[in-house]
Amino acid sequence: SQQGEEDPQALSIQEGENATMNCSYKTSINNLQWYRQNSGRGLVHLILIRSNEREKHSGRLRVTLDTSKKSSSLLITASRAADTASYFCATDESGNQFYFGTGTSLTVIP
Amino acid sequence: GAGVSQTPSNKVTEKGKYVELRCDPISGHTALYWYRQSLGQGPEFLIYFQGTGAADDSGLPNDRFFAVRPEGSVSTLKIQRTERGDSAVYLCASSPGGRVGYTFGSGTRLTVV
Repeated sequence: SQQGEEDPQALSIQEGENATMNCSYKTSINNLQWYRQNSGRGLVHLILIRSNEREKHSGRLRVTLDTSKKSSSLLITASRAADTASYFCATDESGNQFYFGTGTSLTVIP
Repeated sequence: GAGVSQTPSNKVTEKGKYVELRCDPISGHTALYWYRQSLGQGPEFLIYFQGTGAADDSGLPNDRFFAVRPEGSVSTLKIQRTERGDSAVYLCASSPGGRVGYTFGSGTRLTVV
């Protein structure tokens, strides 16, 4: 089953603009992660935010988490063409496995 | 190794055949996961190993799917009597254990014709 749901499904922006994608989930979580995937193959871990954290930064990435709304957002600032990829959020319901959403496909136009 | 290695990278098989997909995790990572990703979808959890044992196999779709990790390192996902609906990218990931991020392999693209 998939718990996370990303919004929008697809996003197209100009290079240099900021990209924001959102993730909503259904049950309580301990952690939420964001991953990036190029060309439908391996995923790259971007950032993990714990349920007691509200915001986290890593380079040009900013992740927020609102547990009361069961939602998270990923902001990529000053986007580059190389940021073109699919982005997934993944949440843990129980145990150690994470459940992925259907992803946001980001296209950054040079 | 430096990363998670999956072989083969591509596999085409005929309906009804048996296939094995291999995952070589990062050395020392005790946790190993298998996911399946269909076109346009996010990865779906199949099975999780902690060491040699399958700690959670609740994601395996049916009894045609089986996975082993006999020495707590390399894992093999086995699919019997393959069906066209099994076509997908099969992803393996490992982690040191605990609630940390996974490192994924590049996946095996399985096509059942």
